[in-house]
Amino acid sequence: DAGVIQSPRHEVTEMGQEVTLRCKPISGHNSLFWYRQTMMRGLELLIYFNNNVPIDDSGMPEDRFSAKMPNASFSTLKIQPSEPRDSAVYFCASSFWGSSYNEQFFGPGTRLTVL
Amino acid sequence: GESVGLHLPTLSVQEGDNSIINCAYSNSASDYFIWYKQESGKGPQFIIDIRSNMDKRQGQRVTVLLNKTVKHLSLQIAATQPGDSAVYFCAENYGQNFVFGPGTRLSVLP
Repeated sequence: DAGVIQSPRHEVTEMGQEVTLRCKPISGHNSLFWYRQTMMRGLELLIYFNNNVPIDDSGMPEDRFSAKMPNASFSTLKIQPSEPRDSAVYFCASSFWGSSYNEQFFGPGTRLTVL
Repeated sequence: GESVGLHLPTLSVQEGDNSIINCAYSNSASDYFIWYKQESGKGPQFIIDIRSNMDKRQGQRVTVLLNKTVKHLSLQIAATQPGDSAVYFCAENYGQNFVFGPGTRLSVLP
């Protein structure tokens, strides 16, 4: 199994531009999580999906952020327009909800820099 | 103004010694806990987990202890090695949500 796949690994963009981060969860997993990690705030949960349905998006900072999961094997996190304070590492994680243990498997992350 | 970063607690141990990393969790309803290891430039990686009906669980060179009375979790690493240098996070799970602690940086001295 390739694990959770994220793309791109690095993204540098200018303020005001749209940014799209992509995630492919582990096959068979039914839950997907988006996290943001910064030095200021540590690891924060932004949103999670269960069976492709958004369950809790209370961690999404503001309307500039949106996430979709059109099918079980793909999710996107979009920032429009991007701002310098959005610079962070964004992680996607997946898990199988319903088993005895709910371990989350993390992807390698996307390092976003907004200039 | 000057920004203030998240100052991680740091634990420095001599190679070969045992390490103990502590974590306080917040929700008494949490029923599942995980320790993650995060190396520089990588995503968090599962180390060991424990359910709330247990107070101790052992893995290879690692032991997790859970004290529900004081909502405290600890990770013990035996015979700490240079490869153990990383940031360690505890995470508590209730419902389908995971809440991560701020992390502890473990530095292994030669």
